[in-house]
Amino acid sequence: QVQLVESGGGGVQPGRSLRLSCAASGFTFGSFGMHWVRQAPGKGLEWVAVIWYDGSNKYYADSVKGRFTISRDNSKNTLSLQMNSLRVEDTAVYYCARSALGGSYGEVDYWGQGTLVTVSS
Amino acid sequence: QPVLTQSSSASASLGSSVKLTCTLSSGLSNYIIAWHQLQPGKAPRFLMKLEGSGSYNKGSGVPDRFSGSSSGADRYLTISNLQSEDEADYYCETWDSNTRVFGGGTKLTVL
Repeated sequence: QVQLVESGGGGVQPGRSLRLSCAASGFTFGSFGMHWVRQAPGKGLEWVAVIWYDGSNKYYADSVKGRFTISRDNSKNTLSLQMNSLRVEDTAVYYCARSALGGSYGEVDYWGQGTLVTVSS
Repeated sequence: QPVLTQSSSASASLGSSVKLTCTLSSGLSNYIIAWHQLQPGKAPRFLMKLEGSGSYNKGSGVPDRFSGSSSGADRYLTISNLQSEDEADYYCETWDSNTRVFGGGTKLTVL
């Protein structure tokens, strides 16, 4: 069955960096687009970034553009999110999510359990 | 960029039915959406993909009690024979031009 397992979350000071990872299994990872979606405490879901099945295209929410970088290693079935210049407002549970299609379109059809990132001084 | 509007809360009695609404912004009545369920301590769950025609495709293992329908810019999630485990936050999702948006979510309470 499809499994997405995030790791790398934790506490960090504003301005510092953190790298999240997502280990995928149970499907042909290199055939699907992948997303990061976050949920701040007490708030709704916010889309963060998407990467196409082959890594050829990446798109970001305006709130993270220029600070976050999404990447993938299809040989290791791994999705990553490099988060630089972190802000207090980046505090959230970060979810790795699979797209039903290979590109930017199509619904999210599987989610990971999430990893908590807390940005605080 | 599309906007999805959801009521913040809903409630219904155990064993009854409830219909949650997700409204697409003006001019987007043909957009496809998806419904997701979020419960504390669990991974979010994809429930279904729902088209403007009202046709829907459910995720793996989603009970028959969950169904979808559409009317104009409105997309509905109906849960029949409500169970206590249906108490959750429900979000709709759509996508456009390499971005995607989620509605604000509806918190469903089962009485």
